[in-house]
This record gives sequence, structure tokens and C-alpha cells, in this order.
Amino acid sequence: DVKVTQSSRYLVKRTGEKVFLECVQDMDHENMFWYRQDPGLGLRLIYFSYDVKMKEKGDIPEGYSVSREKKERFSLILESASTNQTSMYLCASSFRGLGNQPQHFGDGTRLSIL
Amino acid sequence: QKEVEQNSGPLSVPEGAIASLNCTYSDRGSQSFFWYRQYSGKSPELIMSIYSNGDKEDGRFTAQLNKASQYVSLLIRDSQPSDSATYLCAVGPSNSGYALNFGKGTSLLVTP
Repeated sequence: DVKVTQSSRYLVKRTGEKVFLECVQDMDHENMFWYRQDPGLGLRLIYFSYDVKMKEKGDIPEGYSVSREKKERFSLILESASTNQTSMYLCASSFRGLGNQPQHFGDGTRLSIL
Repeated sequence: QKEVEQNSGPLSVPEGAIASLNCTYSDRGSQSFFWYRQYSGKSPELIMSIYSNGDKEDGRFTAQLNKASQYVSLLIRDSQPSDSATYLCAVGPSNSGYALNFGKGTSLLVTP
């Protein structure tokens, strides 16, 4: 079975802090994604990566950055956390293929910014 | 922007009935389609993939695809209260994109 592991299930941070969310997958997937999910807004893509050190902006990249130094690990960084970044953050991964492969999700991180 | 539309619900069905969940999409060239189930407070879980027109069955689940009408559906037979969840439709892009396009989901409630 595919295993996508997110470092924290729940996280509370203060405004202005730099926040790191970590994601690791064990299936040798080339593609990795970060989403946030808010009530009524659905899943929104923040960033994705199709290879090591490669990254592409999604629909809502503002206020975020990412890092992919190793194939299995994809990190999301909130440069200076703000209250409007309180959300459920979901990491996903998939095999290489131009959008024709299913994505497998981690358990999510519920992040609260106070 | 590629659109994936779902009725938000809630769709309420009695236990044992067939639940029918529908999804339309705007990207005419899409070739891959997925259904995810998401329980409240949990992450989406892949339950069905379909790539060709017609029906694909897996246990109590049947996915139906009609590319000409740009329509994909999920049927759940013998619905159980444990099927109560939000169901997300996801569509693969036809261009060089890597990310699936997700609908906002349909909430299903199966009542005993």
C-alpha cells in the first residue's frame, strides 16, 4: 500500500512564525503535491513537484514556498504565518504521468495560526 | 481554469438503497477520472479509477463514464451508514499538467 506520511496531525503556531510542514512518501513517486482544504472551497493546490529540486506553482502559492531535496520528501514552508493560513493541509503523491495517475494523500495536518 | 462540478448535497438515501453521485467536467480532452471518499476530519481516500467509456464495477461501487457528455458518476449499491462521507470527483488534465482537478465534493448521508 502507498504510504504518505505527514509529520504532524495538529499544529498550533503564532502569526509571523516560519512554519515547516513535512511530507514523506515510500512509493518512489515522482510527483508530489501540497493542497489546503477549507470548508466550501474544496481542495486548492498550493505547489507541486514532478522531480527532485523541481517545483511548480499551483493555484494559491502566495505566502508559501516548497523544497524537494530528496525524491521521497516534499516540504511546505509558510514564510511568515498569518491567521488566514489556518487550514487543513494535505500532501499527496503520484507516479510520473501527465495527470493520468491517481494521487494518494497523507492524513493531513490541521494547522492553526493564532 | 478546468472546471469539475458536483452537487454539494447533502444527498440523503436510506440504508440499502442505491446512492448516485454525479460529476461533470469542462476539459473535453481529459482521459482519467477518479472518485475519492473523504470522511469528516480525514483525508481523501481513492476508491475508483476509470479511463474508458462505460461502467467499471468494484464491489458495491460502480463508476460510469461518458466522455461525449463529459459526465462521470459513482453508484453505491446497498448503501450503508458507513458510506456517509463526502465524495470527491477528480479529473486528469488533457494538457501537460500533472495535478488532478478536483470537484468540491458531494456530501452523502445514509440513514438507518
